[in-house]
Amino acid sequence: QVQLQESGPGLVKPSGTLSLTCAVSGGSISSSNWWSWVRQPPGKGLEWIGEIYHSGSTNYNPSLKSRVTISVDKSKNQFSLKLSSVTAADTAVYYCARVEAVTMSVDVWGKGTTVTVSS
Amino acid sequence: QSALTQPASVSGSPGQSITISCTGTSSDVGSYNLVSWYQQHPGKAPKLMIYEVSKRPSGVSNRFSGSKSGNTASLTISGLQAEDEADYYCCSYAGSSTLEFGGGTKLTVL
Repeated sequence: QVQLQESGPGLVKPSGTLSLTCAVSGGSISSSNWWSWVRQPPGKGLEWIGEIYHSGSTNYNPSLKSRVTISVDKSKNQFSLKLSSVTAADTAVYYCARVEAVTMSVDVWGKGTTVTVSS
Repeated sequence: QSALTQPASVSGSPGQSITISCTGTSSDVGSYNLVSWYQQHPGKAPKLMIYEVSKRPSGVSNRFSGSKSGNTASLTISGLQAEDEADYYCCSYAGSSTLEFGGGTKLTVL
């Protein structure tokens, strides 16, 4: 079955750019699904950040759109997140996930990676 | 403030049934049968429990059921078990190719 694994720095400085990558195994990123990022600040709820299709088409949360870029690398079967101008409010567990295209449900989740924004 | 409103907490005794509500608007829950529910245990990734309002993925207990009326979706757990104690989140397609999550509900099994 498809598995997702996040990787990237666990500490980012304020005003810097958060960069994470999600490796997809057990399946192809070119399947008919959207590949998404979801985050969860400490002690708080889930927030959808955005998603990408293997064609490169993207959709973003309007509240984050100006700072977010999601990209895909089909040759490596992975996709990535960049979040610019970060502040302490961006400290969270970041999950990569698969969104089933018809049901719009998140049916596969990575284990999550903690990113702290601090100097 | 989350786009979808859930109660902060609910509780029930083993064997009982509980219902968690998820209230949105006519632009999200009310317009699409694309509501899903997730269970999250502490320190773990969320797990899909219900999709398309009332459908269960393979392997999810039939004690979990979903429904929708107007702008409000609901998750019902019957025959409560200790292992059901977790946080639960609803999620809805909100048009314009976006998803929204609820604020989450902490379920306590007494």
